[in-house]
Amino acid sequence: EVQLVESGGGLVQPGGSLRLSCAASGFTFSTYWMKWVRQAPGKGLECVANIKPDGSETQYVDSVKGRFTISRDNAKNSLSLQMNSLRADDTAVYYCVRGSGGTGLGYWGQGTPVTVSS
Amino acid sequence: DIVMTQSPLSLPVTPGEPASISCRSSQSLLYTNGDTYLDWYLQRPGQSPQLLIYLGSIRASGVPDRFSGSGSGTDFTLKISRVEAEDVGVYYCMQAVQVPITFGQGTRLDIK
Repeated sequence: EVQLVESGGGLVQPGGSLRLSCAASGFTFSTYWMKWVRQAPGKGLECVANIKPDGSETQYVDSVKGRFTISRDNAKNSLSLQMNSLRADDTAVYYCVRGSGGTGLGYWGQGTPVTVSS
Repeated sequence: DIVMTQSPLSLPVTPGEPASISCRSSQSLLYTNGDTYLDWYLQRPGQSPQLLIYLGSIRASGVPDRFSGSGSGTDFTLKISRVEAEDVGVYYCMQAVQVPITFGQGTRLDIK
């Protein structure tokens, strides 16, 4: 059974940092693109970062470029999102999502909430 | 970035009646391999989104056949033949033909 379990969310002050983690199991982690998708309170979905299976390529939405870093450890089946210079508009639930190769995003974690507030 | 526009944004439906959601993209979602990279997701209250339809019209595993997707190019539709109580939630279309993937604003389906 595919499982994606996020952790690391919490309350942080504006300008602060937070590191999210996602523990993956039930599939060959090293063969899939992985993503972080966020959802601000009462709002829609936004894909903030992507990473290639071998970690050699990353992609970011413009609003987080230079502040967020996605990374992975294929030996530990783990995905991370380092978030620096956090702003109030980064407040959201962050989902770890398995990429699809064109067959849809079929597996999502339960999400971890991040609140940026003083 | 490709902009995805859904309508309506709110959809009250009587159980047993059909429902339809439209999604339009600012660019064609047809890729050079002939596939159209348009997905539909349902986010039930308090849950993570779940995949309903991929490549425009293919139902994901376990999705009831009352859900169907159609369309091409820039115009797409999700249809529910007979709405049930468990179909309540927010429906999102998503394009995956170009990075960054982008979602529609969401359509909230409620039971009348």
